[in-house]
Order: sequence, then structure tokens, then C-alpha cells
Amino acid sequence: GAGVSQSPSNKVTEKGKDVELRCDPISGHTALYWYRQRLGQGLEFLIYFQGNSAPDKSGLPSDRFSAERTGESVSTLTIQRTQQEDSAVYLCASSLRRTGPNEQFFGPGTRLTVL
Amino acid sequence: AQSVAQPEDQVNVAEGNPLTVKCTYSVSGNPYLFWYVQYPNRGLQFLLKYITGDNLVKGSYGFEAEFNKSQTSFHLKKPSALVSDSALYFCAVRALSNDYKLSFGAGTTVTVRA
Repeated sequence: GAGVSQSPSNKVTEKGKDVELRCDPISGHTALYWYRQRLGQGLEFLIYFQGNSAPDKSGLPSDRFSAERTGESVSTLTIQRTQQEDSAVYLCASSLRRTGPNEQFFGPGTRLTVL
Repeated sequence: AQSVAQPEDQVNVAEGNPLTVKCTYSVSGNPYLFWYVQYPNRGLQFLLKYITGDNLVKGSYGFEAEFNKSQTSFHLKKPSALVSDSALYFCAVRALSNDYKLSFGAGTTVTVRA
């Protein structure tokens, strides 16, 4: 079946502009996660959704970052007034359910470059 | 708190030689442990996981990992490396008491030379 998809694959924007990143999880996966991967670094947890509820937003770097999810479907990560330090690859993952040892399945990521 | 350390930024091996990528973890209670691989310009792909039971876990593409509770390690191994194994490898941990949050290591770049 289809995996996790993300769009756009690449986004170049100017400092101060807003950007929206989209994630389509695997059908039937109730849990959805957003991560940030800076060059040469590991994955930094941003936020997770159980259904359309986001119980943990603790990883969002600032109030310029927000995310929402429609039901158990598409999620969008919005970054307002982008800064150069926001440049990174943003990865989305989904898993069958929140609990248990369910592995997360990752999308290909969106590479964001803020000029 | 939970964390993962991958002590080697890079591992270089010749094709056909054994490959080991090291991982140690810190977690309260029992862990779930995972290995992922990332090829250039692609997302992370799941390789294998440890839940409970047998300490030797077998995964995709001929990889295996050994869970060692006393040493809090979960090293990834492959008996005979291929050039196509060249990629970035991430170890991740989650406490059983933690519903969802995976903590990832910084990654190890593996280069297999022909």
C-alpha cells in the first residue's frame, strides 16, 4: 500500500514568509508525528497527533510553529515568519496506534530553505 | 528521560567485511529499541526493533541487532556488508511507559567501499 507522503518535497522561501508543509499518513494510522532534522543532526521531535488531537506540542520550537490534523488524515505544519534557523528537513511519520511497540513509518520529508 | 548515543559519526568498511554500528541507550524501565536507515534524499526506513524476548533481533536486508541489558546497548550488525548498505543509520529508543515519543541518536554514516 501507499506509504507516508509529504509535499512539497522542497521549499525555498524568503525570511519572514509563512510556509505550510503537508503530510498524508498511511491510511488507518491513528498516530502522526512531526520531526525536524537539521543538517548533520538527529531527529528532533516537534509534535504528535492521536487522531486530530495533539496531546504533546512540547517540541514545537516557538509560537511561530503550529500544526493541525483533519481527523485521522492529513496534517499540516505551518511556520509563520520564517527565520533562517528554520532551514531543515521536516519529516512526518505515522504509526498504527499510539501505544505498543508500533514502529513509525516515515515520509520522504520536506526540505525547507529560508533565504 | 530517555536518550540514545551513537558514539561513531562515521563507520567505514570494505565490502564483504562485517559491519557494526554502535548504539547505547538510557531509559527508565524497559525499552523498545529501533534501528532506521536513511538513504540520500529519502525518509527513514524501518530496519528492525526489539520488544522483548530473544536478545538477537533479525531485520531487513540481512541486518540484525543484539540487545544487551547490562551494557544498555543495541548494536546493529551485518555479517557481510554491501556497497548498497552505505547510508545514514539511526538508533531510537522508547520507554515502555512512554506512549509515543521516540528519542533518536545523532546518526552514524556508514560507507562501504568496493
